Amino acid sequence: RKEVEQDPGPFNVPEGATVAFNCTYSNSASQSFFWYRQDCRKEPKLLMSVYSSGNEDGRFTAQLNRASQYISLLIRDSKLSDSATYLCVVNVFPGWGSGDKLTFGTGTRLAVRP
Amino acid sequence: DTEVTQTPKHLVMGMTNKKSLKCEQHMGHRAMYWYKQKAKKPPELMFVYSYEKLSINESVPSRFSPECPNSSLLNLHLHALQPEDSALYLCASSQETGKGQPQHFGDGTRLSIL
Repeated sequence: RKEVEQDPGPFNVPEGATVAFNCTYSNSASQSFFWYRQDCRKEPKLLMSVYSSGNEDGRFTAQLNRASQYISLLIRDSKLSDSATYLCVVNVFPGWGSGDKLTFGTGTRLAVRP
Repeated sequence: DTEVTQTPKHLVMGMTNKKSLKCEQHMGHRAMYWYKQKAKKPPELMFVYSYEKLSINESVPSRFSPECPNSSLLNLHLHALQPEDSALYLCASSQETGKGQPQHFGDGTRLSIL
């Protein structure tokens, strides 16, 4: 089983649509969670951190369910510029003296059409 | 613009060459990372430096040799690489390790091995 699993998509949606991405992770010791977006041939860029209480940043809402080991991202009112690959990322801290280990899901590709 | 700067942007080298990739950040971050990303795959962690000390080596072959001369700089020395090492090499930094903070990526060095 992969450590972080995502539906690879592609999700092909019209402008203005609402789209939801899901992600599950297998390591119950995971401590922090993020969504990154990556455009073609570019670096990953942090979209938002994800908290158990849920958090919102404009049109983007992220949710974490630690009991189910499940993370979600909701994008409302999709824009053409939202077209990208969305990476679910989980951080495990192995212990003091060590470093953070980010594990990336394979990414979900979103294509927003006019 | 990314606050993590990587040079060169592109590198083509033969299997017998020696070259170095450079990464610099001036955000005062004390953790720095090297990742390797193959096409259509997520980034994979290679090395973690925490307070200028190597804290994680993800069983990377010795033909890759990291170096952290100071808290702002991270190098990756390359020697006798194989064609399968062709990939995008990403540097990232975070404030510290163990605090669940997000990592910020440079725009990468696209490496081709002939």
